Amino acid sequence: DQQVKQNSPSLSVQEGRISILNCDYTNSMFDYFLWYKKYPAEGPTFLISISSIKDKNEDGRFTVFLNKSAKHLSLHIVPSQPGDSAVYFCAASPGVGVLNTDKLIFGTGTRLQVFP
Amino acid sequence: GAVVSQHPSRVICKSGTSVKIECRSLDFQATTMFWYRQFPKKSLMLMATSNEGSKATYEQGVEKDKFLINHASLTLSTLTVTSAHPEDSSFYICSAADRGGGQPQHFGDGTRLSIL
Repeated sequence: DQQVKQNSPSLSVQEGRISILNCDYTNSMFDYFLWYKKYPAEGPTFLISISSIKDKNEDGRFTVFLNKSAKHLSLHIVPSQPGDSAVYFCAASPGVGVLNTDKLIFGTGTRLQVFP
Repeated sequence: GAVVSQHPSRVICKSGTSVKIECRSLDFQATTMFWYRQFPKKSLMLMATSNEGSKATYEQGVEKDKFLINHASLTLSTLTVTSAHPEDSSFYICSAADRGGGQPQHFGDGTRLSIL
């Protein structure tokens, strides 16, 4: 049972445009959501997170939106750059983020390709 | 930034061999480390939560006698795949949570295990 889903396995975006990566979850107990970026043969790198008490969190070119009623979150990257090409995983946790010892449930990932 | 070192990065060995993978937090103390497994084009699946000085907590369906976890210090956790078989071939990734809190989990670069 996949509790965190990323229904788009891949996304191709032109440099300078906006990239929108989507993620859906089924467990209403999730309280904290994260996005990780992963290059081949490397471990995931933390990008940005959001607590369930917020609906938006922004960090530079990256913005995460959370719609709790729809159990949906999205990551916006603008402007997209070729270096953003990687696999992006969303993850959910029942914790509140402060206690980072809570386990993470990962989605299946979306491969983003940003072309010139 | 925080660094998690995972060793070895790649292992190729014969069926029946036991393989040990190390996960070290290099510049912080981690009371909790996590072990994940990733199949091709699939999500990172949490196998177990490794707690310093106590027994690991395994996820449902993960054989604790097959995947031995030891977390003897605040900077080192090991995963031993005992009597490995071809179906154990996978990408194994660890993550560590800074005991100081406030930071998301940091991941190692993973270990590609191939059992012949």
